[in-house]
Amino acid sequence: QQQVKQSPQSLIVQKGGISIINCAYENTAFDYFPWYQQFPGKGPALLIAIRPDVSEKKEGRFTISFNKSAKQFSLHIMDSQPGDSATYFCARGSSGSARQLTFGSGTQLTVLP
Amino acid sequence: KAGVTQTPRYLIKTRGQQVTLSCSPISGHRSVSWYQQTPGQGLQFLFEYFSETQRNKGNFPGRFSGRQFSNSRSEMNVSTLELGDSALYLCASSPGQTWGGELFFGEGSRLTVL
Repeated sequence: QQQVKQSPQSLIVQKGGISIINCAYENTAFDYFPWYQQFPGKGPALLIAIRPDVSEKKEGRFTISFNKSAKQFSLHIMDSQPGDSATYFCARGSSGSARQLTFGSGTQLTVLP
Repeated sequence: KAGVTQTPRYLIKTRGQQVTLSCSPISGHRSVSWYQQTPGQGLQFLFEYFSETQRNKGNFPGRFSGRQFSNSRSEMNVSTLELGDSALYLCASSPGQTWGGELFFGEGSRLTVL
C-alpha cells in the first residue's frame, strides 16, 4: 500500500522558534504534495502545496521544501506562534481522473508562549 | 461563499443500525470526497464523486456506500454499524476540471457507535 510516512508524531516549540515536520513517500507517481492544518473540532484546511518539479515554495512563514532524490518533503514554520498550535498533515495526490489524497499520520504541534 | 456543510454534526448509533450522512459542497464544486478520521488510522479515503459518478473508492467494506446528486450534494451511508465505525467522517469538495491537491473540508460528522 502506498504510504506517506510523517514525523515527528508530536512537536513542542517555543514561540519564535522554527517548527520542522518531515514526510517521506515511496514513489514519484504523484503530482501534488499538499500540507493541511487541522484545529480541534474543525476539518483540515489546505496550508500550501508543492509539485515535485519545484524544490521549495514559501508562503508567509510557511515553507515547503522537496527533495525528489530522497523522496522526502518537509514543512518549516518560521517564527512559530501559539496560534500555529494544531495538527499538521502531509499528503500526496495525483492529477489523474480521481481526486484522492493519501495522508500522513499527522504531527501535533504545540507552540509555547 | 459558504463552505462545505455537513449534517448531522454529531450522532450516536448502536451496532447493527445504519446511518446516512449528508454533505453540501461549496457552490460550483463538482467533486465531492469522503474521508474517515480516527485516532488509530488517521485520515483515510472513502470515495470520490464527480458529476454523480463514483470515480474512486478506498479500501473499505461494501457496508460503506455513497452517492452524489445532480446538484453536487452528496450522501454516504454505512450499514450494519460496527463499533470500529466510530469516527469523524469528513466531506471535502474541490472545484473545476484542474486540481492542485486542494480539498475544502467540512467540519465533519462525528459518529459514535455503541
